Amino acid sequence: AQSVAQPEDQVNVAEGNPLTVKCTYSVSGNPYLFWYVQYPNRGLQFLLKYITGDNLVKGSYGFEAEFNKSQTSFHLKKPSALVSDSALYFCAVRDPNSGYALNFGKGTSLLVTP
Amino acid sequence: EAGVAQSPRYKIIEKRQSVAFWCNPISGHATLYWYQQILGQGPKLLIQFQNNGVVDDSQLPKDRFSAERLKGVDSTLKIQPAKLEDSAVYLCASSPNYEQYFGPGTRLTVT
Repeated sequence: AQSVAQPEDQVNVAEGNPLTVKCTYSVSGNPYLFWYVQYPNRGLQFLLKYITGDNLVKGSYGFEAEFNKSQTSFHLKKPSALVSDSALYFCAVRDPNSGYALNFGKGTSLLVTP
Repeated sequence: EAGVAQSPRYKIIEKRQSVAFWCNPISGHATLYWYQQILGQGPKLLIQFQNNGVVDDSQLPKDRFSAERLKGVDSTLKIQPAKLEDSAVYLCASSPNYEQYFGPGTRLTVT
């Protein structure tokens, strides 16, 4: 089965510092990987995706993610964190065995302090 | 472009009662998904529709959950009877291709 793992429940970073939210994947075949963000009492918002092509993917709000096939990772990064980036972040993989629905990780809570 | 609409936003019911959720996807999106998100977990797929046909409902507890998508547009998800463990946020998403667009969700509390 296609799956992703987010090893950190919470990531704390000071405003202005770079941030990384980790994600590793386990898939058969070529992975279709996604990052979503969830703010309190709101639905998930799409940040970025990797389908094919460049390993460095740029997305919304200054976020980017690096696809690393040898390490089976798809870490989310941002060069300079903002307090408003504080939210719940989900990594997901598209599962061709399940109608191409998304299998989500458990989520990582990002807290950016002033 | 209007987003995915869901109603109600919040619902509190007692166990063994029934409840229904409604979703209106983004216009033109053929694929519609219902996910269940239990507190502290990532969303889990319940059912996927392509137009008005079911693509995958393997994780839908069919003894109590049902869903339909009439005319390939709006969809309803029903729980009857509800159990305590059904307390969760129910998310609807629609998709034209690879990306899924999520609604705000319905937070269900079963007491």
